Amino acid sequence: DAKTTQPNSMESNEEEPVHLPCNHSTISGTDYIHWYRQLPSQGPEYVIHGLTSNVNNRMASLAIAEDRKSSTLILHRATLRDAAVYYCILRSEYGNKLVFGAGTILRVKS
Amino acid sequence: DVKVTQSSRYLVKRTGEKVFLECVQDMDHENMFWYRQDPGLGLRLIYFSYDVKMKEKGDIPEGYSVSREKKERFSLILESASTNQTSMYLCASSFLQGPFYEQYFGPGTRLTVT
Repeated sequence: DAKTTQPNSMESNEEEPVHLPCNHSTISGTDYIHWYRQLPSQGPEYVIHGLTSNVNNRMASLAIAEDRKSSTLILHRATLRDAAVYYCILRSEYGNKLVFGAGTILRVKS
Repeated sequence: DVKVTQSSRYLVKRTGEKVFLECVQDMDHENMFWYRQDPGLGLRLIYFSYDVKMKEKGDIPEGYSVSREKKERFSLILESASTNQTSMYLCASSFLQGPFYEQYFGPGTRLTVT
C-alpha cells in the first residue's frame, strides 16, 4: 500500500477553518484518497473520499492536487467536537483493508 | 442509522484463558474486519471476512482465529490469551470490495490480559 505523510498535530480556534494536509507522492493512478477520524474513546469514522476531483459532503471538503501527490481535508468551521485524530489513507482499487498511519491530532481551542 | 456493536467495552482476562470478542452489524454488509490498535503502532488488521464462513488473514493473525457463521456476526477468538494481546480491538464492516465503500467501526473493546 502506498504511504501517506501527515503532520503529527495541528491546532485550530473554534469557528475557524482548518486545513489538514496529506502527502502521498507514491500514489498510483487507481488509488482512492480516504479520510477517517477517530474521536476520543471511539472507533474511527469515515469522513470523505475522492479520486481526482475535489469533493464536498456535510462533514468536510477534500481538495486534491492536480498531480494527486497531495490532498487537504478542509473543515469549514471547526468545533470542539472536531477534536480528533485524522487519518489520510490510500485505498487501492481492489483493496479491502484500511492501512492507518499515525494521523494528525487536531486540537480545537475555544 | 448504521450500527456496528461490540459485545463489551472493557474486558479483563487471565493469561491462558480463551477469549471471545463478538461483533454484530445491522447493515447487511458482506465484509467484516477485526483490527487491533496500539499506541505508536496504529490500527493493524488481524482478519477479515468477505462472506459467511469465509475468512482471510490480515497483517497480524498469529494467536487469533475468527468465526463467521451468520452474515451479521463476526467473532474474534483468542485461543490462549497472552499479555501481549492486551490492546484495543475494533470491529468494522463494509459493503463488498472496492475503494469507494467506507468502513463502519464499532466503539471498540479494550482487552486487558493479566
